[in-house]
Amino acid sequence: DTGVSQNPRHKITKRGQNVTFRCDPISEHNRLYWYRQTLGQGPEFLTYFQNEAQLEKSRLLSDRFSAERPKGSFSTLEIQRTEQGDSAMYLCASSEWDSAKPQHFGDGTRLSIL
Amino acid sequence: AQKVTQAQTEISVVEKEDVTLDCVYETRDTTYYLFWYKQPPSGELVFLIRRNSFDEQNEISGRYSWNFQKSTSSFNFTITASQVVDSAVYFCALMGRVGTDKLIFGTGTRLQVFP
Repeated sequence: DTGVSQNPRHKITKRGQNVTFRCDPISEHNRLYWYRQTLGQGPEFLTYFQNEAQLEKSRLLSDRFSAERPKGSFSTLEIQRTEQGDSAMYLCASSEWDSAKPQHFGDGTRLSIL
Repeated sequence: AQKVTQAQTEISVVEKEDVTLDCVYETRDTTYYLFWYKQPPSGELVFLIRRNSFDEQNEISGRYSWNFQKSTSSFNFTITASQVVDSAVYFCALMGRVGTDKLIFGTGTRLQVFP
């Protein structure tokens, strides 16, 4: 069990640029989640996948955000035309298929918009 | 609506003191799960415990204990004989409507343990 891996750890970009983050879940986990955490707040749910199917999306996920999980393995989260308000820590988590199993989190990708 | 409230923003204690972190939740679901996570300065959220709504037994794991009371919608976390390594932000989270699987987190309590 190597844990959930996220890349990059930090991303600094100018407003208006596109960014993409990657998450590699724990290998036997079918479910994969994305959360966003801003300073002093708890993580907020963005979306989740069961295998390659995206089953739920939060209203926080505007049309500038898109997430994919091709072949049910790793996942990518892309933000187009970044804005200052997108600055946050983006967290990925994975869990086993059974409902309500604990979600195991990666170290996150910290996004800073200049 | 589902909500988790952690009213204590920050707590400071001296090593070996006991400390309790409060968590109050709101949900209309009859079946739900409650979680505690620890976020040390390194940033990774570490799972501590999961409790389902039908199991009100208190749980103890080493220096950690949890008190779940449905009557007051609370799921409090106590650290006995705190240590400097316990310094972190602790989050309480709710998962309602089994099947959606999204966690709803509180705003966290920052615990600082001084030597």
